Amino acid sequence: DTAVSQTPKYLVTQMGNDKSIKCEQNLGHDTMYWYKQDSKKFLKIMFSYNNKELIINETVPNRFSPKSPDKAHLNLHINSLELGDSAVYFCASSQTSGNQPQHFGDGTRLSIL
Amino acid sequence: GESVGLHLPTLSVQEGDNSIINCAYSNSASDYFIWYKQESGKGPQFIIDIRSNMDKRQGQRVTVLLNKTVKHLSLQIAATQPGDSAVYFCAENYGGATNKLIFGTGTLLAVQP
Repeated sequence: DTAVSQTPKYLVTQMGNDKSIKCEQNLGHDTMYWYKQDSKKFLKIMFSYNNKELIINETVPNRFSPKSPDKAHLNLHINSLELGDSAVYFCASSQTSGNQPQHFGDGTRLSIL
Repeated sequence: GESVGLHLPTLSVQEGDNSIINCAYSNSASDYFIWYKQESGKGPQFIIDIRSNMDKRQGQRVTVLLNKTVKHLSLQIAATQPGDSAVYFCAENYGGATNKLIFGTGTLLAVQP
């Protein structure tokens, strides 16, 4: 009964490929997020959706595109992967978009060869 | 495990001692703060939160202190145990209604038996 689950856990691929990471939460939350954690453990917000509506869109390359088919799912598609995209990507959710704790998945480790 | 060459601030304590992890935040308008614990290979795990109308909040073995005058947050862990060994992050809600969390750089807590 994992609360926030991401697939795959590991993703190894070549530069230039397109890949997707999926996220699902079974907490009944309205808001979901994508974060990137680099090799120095620095964690940075990328996107957030509230009830399928984009509410946070940080300065990331437009090769990254989030998609929320319903409020329990938030997927991340990345086009033309580059070496600098190698990182751990975390999905999170919160009950609403206000002052609420965010609950994280266990991450997807993306390695670009 | 940790990346080679990763140099996080480290706090080393003896088992049974109390730990204090400090954090400086940047935005005087931030009104919500959270502490997270991240174990190797896992996502950040919520520990405790505090709103800006409070200066202290206690949980089980943990206490968070907020000093808005100097924009400082601390996490106190009582009777530190080996299972407390992890990287600890503070985060501030920079974006009010959007719940845009800005994370600190992290502190590695190493508990010596």
